[in-house]
Amino acid sequence: NAGVTQTPKFQVLKTGQSMTLQCAQDMNHEYMSWYRQDPGMGLRLIHYSVGAGITDQGEVPNGYNVSRSTTEDFPLRLLSAAPSQTSVYFCASSYTRLGTQYFGPGTRLLVL
Amino acid sequence: KNEVEQSPQNLTAQEGEFITINCSYSVGISALHWLQQHPGGGIVSLFMLSSGKKKHGRLIATINIQEKHSSLHITASHPRDSAVYICAANTDKLIFGTGTRLQVFP
Repeated sequence: NAGVTQTPKFQVLKTGQSMTLQCAQDMNHEYMSWYRQDPGMGLRLIHYSVGAGITDQGEVPNGYNVSRSTTEDFPLRLLSAAPSQTSVYFCASSYTRLGTQYFGPGTRLLVL
Repeated sequence: KNEVEQSPQNLTAQEGEFITINCSYSVGISALHWLQQHPGGGIVSLFMLSSGKKKHGRLIATINIQEKHSSLHITASHPRDSAVYICAANTDKLIFGTGTRLQVFP
């Protein structure tokens, strides 16, 4: 099993550009989440999904969209990148919503 | 004040030393997670516990629900234990601490 995969590993964007961060898992987990990690702060929840077709906002959702068309995939879209979105993004999945979290390797995003 | 606080922020140790990392929380929780973030950035779940103690190899996690406190212990520390250790509290969501950076020197 590959577990949780994320692409790309690193991305540089200019302000105003859009992009999609990909996340996929092969563990048949219903629950998937996107977090951002910034220096000096704990991981913060951006959006989450409790199953295909169902998504909800987390703590810091502004500027991001998500969709969940399949159990496996949970892409995160940046609509119009801003320097404040420079961060490391982690996708995670779990069997239960607050159960053991399985993290992807992360995507390091730099917005200039 | 953060709802989940870890101490110390940074910790250095000599190989073989016994390590303790602390996590205190101010909210009601159903469980607490300990995670390890490697220097390369990957995050791995170590423990999820709601009471008592759990052990895996040289790692031991304890929790005292009444005192709202959890500890992660590493026995016979090794340089490969160097990482950031993060605790996270289960409320209606996961609330993460800011992590403890551990460096173990040979």
